Amino acid sequence: ETGVTQTPRHLVMGMTNKKSLKCEQHLGHNAMYWYKQSAKKPLELMFEEQTENNSVPSRFSPECPNSSHLFLHLHTLQPEDSALYLCASSRGAAGGPNEQFFGPGTRLTVL
Amino acid sequence: GQNIDQPTEMTATEGAIVQINCTYQTSGFNGLFWYQQHAGEAPTFLSYNVLDGLEEKGRFSSFLSRSKGYSYLLLKELQMKDSASYLCAVRDRPSGNTPLVFGKGTRLSVIA
Repeated sequence: ETGVTQTPRHLVMGMTNKKSLKCEQHLGHNAMYWYKQSAKKPLELMFEEQTENNSVPSRFSPECPNSSHLFLHLHTLQPEDSALYLCASSRGAAGGPNEQFFGPGTRLTVL
Repeated sequence: GQNIDQPTEMTATEGAIVQINCTYQTSGFNGLFWYQQHAGEAPTFLSYNVLDGLEEKGRFSSFLSRSKGYSYLLLKELQMKDSASYLCAVRDRPSGNTPLVFGKGTRLSVIA
């Protein structure tokens, strides 16, 4: 595997389900992020690793067990949470762009 | 607050040149990025500007004016495969390892 991988690529869940999204980076980076991409809205940062973000509903919770893996735990979601969830990682070295590398995303549909 | 503006859609002809503008007002500035995103795919990094001026990379160039809060992405010799969304993003914190603030993206359609 190379780059940033995400599983599953597609997920359909009911509002009462609990599921988790997984992200793994094979680039030796030391920072990982979750972004949400909805139609006609900009990419929005949800979490930097597992740092709390008060602007994100508590039905989303991140877990970052090590520098290569990032999870997004989902429970009791709402239909408006349907979106593309993108994981990204960056190198974090001093100087240079430290651009973020994105995974292919998980297309989530909440019924 | 953070605000990044770019046109929603643009259309250009194959072989032509197109310029996609981006203006930003952010609480801090530590670099501006352009990403390309094809439908259903992940964004991929195109360019980075942190100092004023033009950065050229093959058919793509990006310009930055920090005093004006303005950038543009210039695409030359357009090809059909350049049809995609182009995302302007700003790093607004001084540390190099921080997330980005994105604009809504410009959907570019290249026509024959």
